Amino acid sequence: ETGVTQSPTHLIKTRGQQVTLRCSSQSGHNTVSWYQQALGQGPQFIFQYYREEENGRGNFPPRFSGLQFPNYSSELNVNALELDDSALYLCASSKIADQETQYFGPGTRLLVL
Amino acid sequence: QKEVEQDPGPLSVPEGAIVSLNCTYSNSAFQYFMWYRQYSRKGPELLMYTYSSGNKEDGRFTAQVDKSSKYISLFIRDSQPSDSATYLCAMSASNTGKLIFGQGTTLQVKP
Repeated sequence: ETGVTQSPTHLIKTRGQQVTLRCSSQSGHNTVSWYQQALGQGPQFIFQYYREEENGRGNFPPRFSGLQFPNYSSELNVNALELDDSALYLCASSKIADQETQYFGPGTRLLVL
Repeated sequence: QKEVEQDPGPLSVPEGAIVSLNCTYSNSAFQYFMWYRQYSRKGPELLMYTYSSGNKEDGRFTAQVDKSSKYISLFIRDSQPSDSATYLCAMSASNTGKLIFGQGTTLQVKP
């Protein structure tokens, strides 16, 4: 059974740029959730995707957007990067019938300069 | 006030000690309660999952949920240096898929 994978592992961008992060869900899972984890804090829910549509969103502005593909992989896009967007971005996958049991990938560490 | 409160620690214990980690919450709609372990620069790893109130045991780990007090705990018996990590509690209301995390408690188990 393949676990959740994310790419890239690290990324450095400058303020105002755009970034795309990628996630491959665990085999057999059909939902993907994205979280932002600032240093020293717990992860914060950004949004969840199911059947290629957004299925719930946290308190994040519209410049955070996502996609889910037919193979259940997903992308997180962030436009107009701000310094406060520097964080570890985590992807988690689950089955829609058991959404609370989420398995996380290793994360992408984004630094905005 | 945050929906989920967790003492960030750090908590330092000798090897073999019993560790108690706790979270409190304010949202009575929470039905699902999870504990994750996160090593430095890694993603969170699901340790325990409990639905509603009660206890659940898995090896050296025991999770307790007291919904009347809005209080959850994770106990680690015979703690090992390899248990040194940040422990995150997480909660969710029914069928939302949105996990609300505590800040995490950093645990160090000294040999």
